[in-house]
Amino acid sequence: AQKVTQAQTEISVVEKEDVTLDCVYETRDTTYYLFWYKQPPSGELVFLIRRNSFDEQNEISGRYSWNFQKSTSSFNFTITASQVVDSAVYFCALSEAEDYGGSQGNLIFGKGTKLSVKP
Amino acid sequence: DTEVTQTPKHLVMGMTNKKSLKCEQHMGHRAMYWYKQKAKKPPELMFVYSYEKLSINESVPSRFSPECPNSSLLNLHLHALQPEDSALYLCASSQEGGTGTYNEQFFGPGTRLTVL
Repeated sequence: AQKVTQAQTEISVVEKEDVTLDCVYETRDTTYYLFWYKQPPSGELVFLIRRNSFDEQNEISGRYSWNFQKSTSSFNFTITASQVVDSAVYFCALSEAEDYGGSQGNLIFGKGTKLSVKP
Repeated sequence: DTEVTQTPKHLVMGMTNKKSLKCEQHMGHRAMYWYKQKAKKPPELMFVYSYEKLSINESVPSRFSPECPNSSLLNLHLHALQPEDSALYLCASSQEGGTGTYNEQFFGPGTRLTVL
């Protein structure tokens, strides 16, 4: 069955610390897509990254970096030199390519990790 | 323009009221979604429209009625709601929906609904 686990419910760091948010997924598909979204207190989910199952290259975007490892079914997200504006709930999500009863393309979310960055 | 807009931002309604939530996107996306999100929970998918046709209804009660008047607009009509329906309702769109979809969904800011 497909599932996304974000084991860290809440993380609190002090500004300028590095922080890694963990994401572990389960899927029966060989073709799938992984996403990270940020949800600040205002409520809107902001798309951060998409990675497909054939592309295991790690990605860096400014202070953000993502580590995708198929061998451990993990897609972890690191924020370097965290800032107060990074405070938000971060969701990891999975989308499968195959149709399992009409589910293809739907996002399967983890429960989210609430990150608090203190000044 | 990578924006999904939603109105109203906040809505308070009684259990006998009829109201509608509106969502609009001008990115040329052909798939649109309604999600419900309770506090401290991830979003839960309610409906998916693909090419203006309802493709997925995740066993949502009939007091929620979606409508897609055209490819840019998505409505959610509300009638006889219960207090437990109070939540953040999020709209999203993606380039395409359906088999092999991998396009990321872009979300609107949501409507915070309170049912009294």
